Amino acid sequence: GENVEQHPSTLSVQEGDSAVIKCTYSDSASNYFPWYKQELGKRPQLIIDIRSNVGEKKDQRIAVTLNKTAKHFSLHITETQPEDSAVYFCAASGVDSSYKLIFGSGTRLLVRP
Amino acid sequence: EPEVTQTPSHQVTQMGQEVILRCVPISNHLYFYWYRQILGQKVEFLVSFYNNEISEKSEIFDDQFSVERPDGSNFTLKIRSTKLEDSAMYFCASSSLTSGNNEQFFGPGTRLTVL
Repeated sequence: GENVEQHPSTLSVQEGDSAVIKCTYSDSASNYFPWYKQELGKRPQLIIDIRSNVGEKKDQRIAVTLNKTAKHFSLHITETQPEDSAVYFCAASGVDSSYKLIFGSGTRLLVRP
Repeated sequence: EPEVTQTPSHQVTQMGQEVILRCVPISNHLYFYWYRQILGQKVEFLVSFYNNEISEKSEIFDDQFSVERPDGSNFTLKIRSTKLEDSAMYFCASSSLTSGNNEQFFGPGTRLTVL
């Protein structure tokens, strides 16, 4: 069935360094790839997304890259700040009847001051 | 900015009892979803709903679960006879899916605790 793998499960970086989180997906029909940030006890918040017709998208310190051939997509956070500390989930969605999101297992990012 | 809302924020129930979780999606959205997140785990898809019917459901969404849109604004998830393993955070989400925009907006969640 559809599956999204996410690595690493935890990531600790020094403030100001970059953080990279990687995901792979199994369903080649997937065409929408959002990234969500979830703080403790809160709802997932969309931070950036990318569609299959582009290879890269950037929004200030956050960027996402997509390699459709390899079925990989990655989140890049530059100049990390302590408030970036949270759990980050990647997800994939296809053109099936429901556009449901299949989530990765999450990455707990800790930015050390 | 419009948001998805959910009530209650926390529901405690005894095993075997019925619970109803309520959601108010964003008003012009047409696609509605329920997801669950067991503590410390990933978000899992339960069911999608469009045009007043279920469009897809996961293996988790068995006969104990049902969804309903009883009026023009509410979207509910009912668990008929709760089990201990139903304890989780339940998120409602909605999407407009206009112009191919798949973005889903999540509610704040209902934490369900089954004792």
